[in-house]
Amino acid sequence: DVVMTQSPLSLPVTLGQPASISCRSSQSLVYSDGNTYLNWFQQRPGQSPRRLIYKVSNRDSGVPDRFSGSGSGTDFTLKISRVEAEDVGVYYCMQGTHWPITFGQGTRLEIK
Amino acid sequence: EVQLVESGGGLVQPGGSLRLSCAASGFTVSSNYMSWVRQAPGKGLEWVSVIYSGGSTYYADSVKGRFTISRHNSKNTLYLQMNSLRAEDTAVYYCARGHWDLQPWGQGTLVTVSS
Repeated sequence: DVVMTQSPLSLPVTLGQPASISCRSSQSLVYSDGNTYLNWFQQRPGQSPRRLIYKVSNRDSGVPDRFSGSGSGTDFTLKISRVEAEDVGVYYCMQGTHWPITFGQGTRLEIK
Repeated sequence: EVQLVESGGGLVQPGGSLRLSCAASGFTVSSNYMSWVRQAPGKGLEWVSVIYSGGSTYYADSVKGRFTISRHNSKNTLYLQMNSLRAEDTAVYYCARGHWDLQPWGQGTLVTVSS
């Protein structure tokens, strides 16, 4: 199975400051169709996961533009330009290129 | 509005069975890939199973042979039949539309396997 490794696992951030989460895969996530199936999910406390970003850099409808995704091959990043209180929660990367789909361990973002 | 609502969770003894349901609204279950993903208490996300629009089904190795995914087209509902349950199956079970894309997710239903 493809191993997804996130860092850091804990991310204390001051309100209004930027935040960045790294996700590395054990194999390239480029599929034979040319797409890279790397998604980012947010799970707020007590809620179910919500997709923020799909195929590396495409923001879902309703997701604030302070969230952005980038990367290629095996290295990916989720960035929040200015952290707000509602961003507290756990963030997961997920690959859908290889069978079975796998998730990163999660990064817990908290307000410092 | 696209929505998924899970039900059927509860407390079950090891070796027992449970059937989870996921009622969909705003889209047609049979026209989409549909997945189950679980989250053990305080842990991360683990993909469990998927059913393709054509009816093919696939499972994680950890549940293969014990869990069965299915759907009822006229009820627009997804199911997960769970047999031979083990303590390590204790988790919140989420249904989600899609497979590689997984959006949206339901609110989840808690399954606790304990004597």
